[in-house]
Amino acid sequence: GAGVSQTPSNKVTEKGKYVELRCDPISGHTALYWYRQSLGQGPEFLIYFQGTGAADDSGLPNDRFFAVRPEGSVSTLKIQRTERGDSAVYLCASSETSYADTQYFGPGTRLTVL
Amino acid sequence: KQEVTQIPAALSVPEGENLVLNCSFTDSAIYNLQWFRQDPGKGLTSLLLIQSSQREQTSGRLNASLDKSSGRSTLYIAASQPGDSATYLCAVYFNQAGTALIFGKGTTLSVSS
Repeated sequence: GAGVSQTPSNKVTEKGKYVELRCDPISGHTALYWYRQSLGQGPEFLIYFQGTGAADDSGLPNDRFFAVRPEGSVSTLKIQRTERGDSAVYLCASSETSYADTQYFGPGTRLTVL
Repeated sequence: KQEVTQIPAALSVPEGENLVLNCSFTDSAIYNLQWFRQDPGKGLTSLLLIQSSQREQTSGRLNASLDKSSGRSTLYIAASQPGDSATYLCAVYFNQAGTALIFGKGTTLSVSS
């Protein structure tokens, strides 16, 4: 079946602009995760959804970052007033359950803030 | 603080060699551990998930072991091939439910023909 998909694959924006990154998880997966990966580092957790609700948003760096999953499937990560330090690859993953289950990752969105 | 460490950061081997990648974690009371492969500019591909009750998990030429008491996991790759060249990431669930994976920085493997 289809894996996790993310759009766009690349996003270039100017400092101060607003961006939205989209994630389509594997159908039927209840848990959805957002991570951020900088060059040479492992992915760092941002936010986790169980169904429609954000079960843990402790990884969001500040209040410029927000994510939603209104119908329990597709999720959108929103970044306001982008800064150059936000440049990274944003990865989305989903798992069938939220009990330490196998996570399946999408290809990522490379965000560049000029 | 819950941390995952992978050593070495990079490894180069000739084709055909058997090799071991190492992962250590700070808290022995982990739940599950997952190994991933990442090709340059790509997302992560899941290789193996070892549950906390298991000591080993095998998939083809890959064998992952888990020793919770010593805070270590290893990924064994048999008869390495150039196509195995990638970055291998270890990630740990430090809690059973309602949590995300904590990742190491990865080991970049290069297999020469």
